[in-house]
Amino acid sequence: EAQVTQNPRYLITVTGKKLTVTCSQNMNHEYMSWYRQDPGLGLRQIYYSMNVEVTDKGDVPEGYKVSRKEKRNFPLILESPSPNQTSLYFCASSATGSNEKLFFGSGTQLSVL
Amino acid sequence: KNQVEQSPQSLIILEGKNCTLQCNYTVSPFSNLRWYKQDTGRGPVSLTIMTFSENTKSNGRYTATLDADTKQSSLHITASQLSDSASYICVVSEGYSTLTFGKGTMLLVSP
Repeated sequence: EAQVTQNPRYLITVTGKKLTVTCSQNMNHEYMSWYRQDPGLGLRQIYYSMNVEVTDKGDVPEGYKVSRKEKRNFPLILESPSPNQTSLYFCASSATGSNEKLFFGSGTQLSVL
Repeated sequence: KNQVEQSPQSLIILEGKNCTLQCNYTVSPFSNLRWYKQDTGRGPVSLTIMTFSENTKSNGRYTATLDADTKQSSLHITASQLSDSASYICVVSEGYSTLTFGKGTMLLVSP
């Protein structure tokens, strides 16, 4: 089954404790991206990747890192999480092409205390 | 600044009734317009993708329209079901790496 898998589904952590949210897709997609969703703000792009070893900043990249060492994986790293990073995070992927469908993962609800 | 505005912000309808959601955008250049359905706490799921030359596209009981001249789109839901209760998000693309998201319309279908 074609899917984007994120882990964990829920995560509670404390300020400053490094964490990684994993994202994997099984559709051989070139494009992958991370979004955060906050009440009243909609989805905002954090980082995206056009292909292996190619990443770029989205609208809200501060406080986040990503890497794309393999085509299928695109982890999101918070080196020193802060409470304002408490949010619902989504990973997404698509094939190359502006009219290709974007597939989203099920989300990771992160709480930073 | 590129913007996507959706209305209404929320909507309650009775099961079996039809409804129409609106999307206005100022994104330029325009590549395509997408509608997504998002169940609470889950990832968005694609309903339709329309390019500049497409005026209408259907996906089951969902029909999207696009007027590229006035930069408006609508999503019409026919014979609503309880499972249609969700947030509906309009997304406009300049190219596949640049998407502008609307804040969504929260639809509640009541029995």
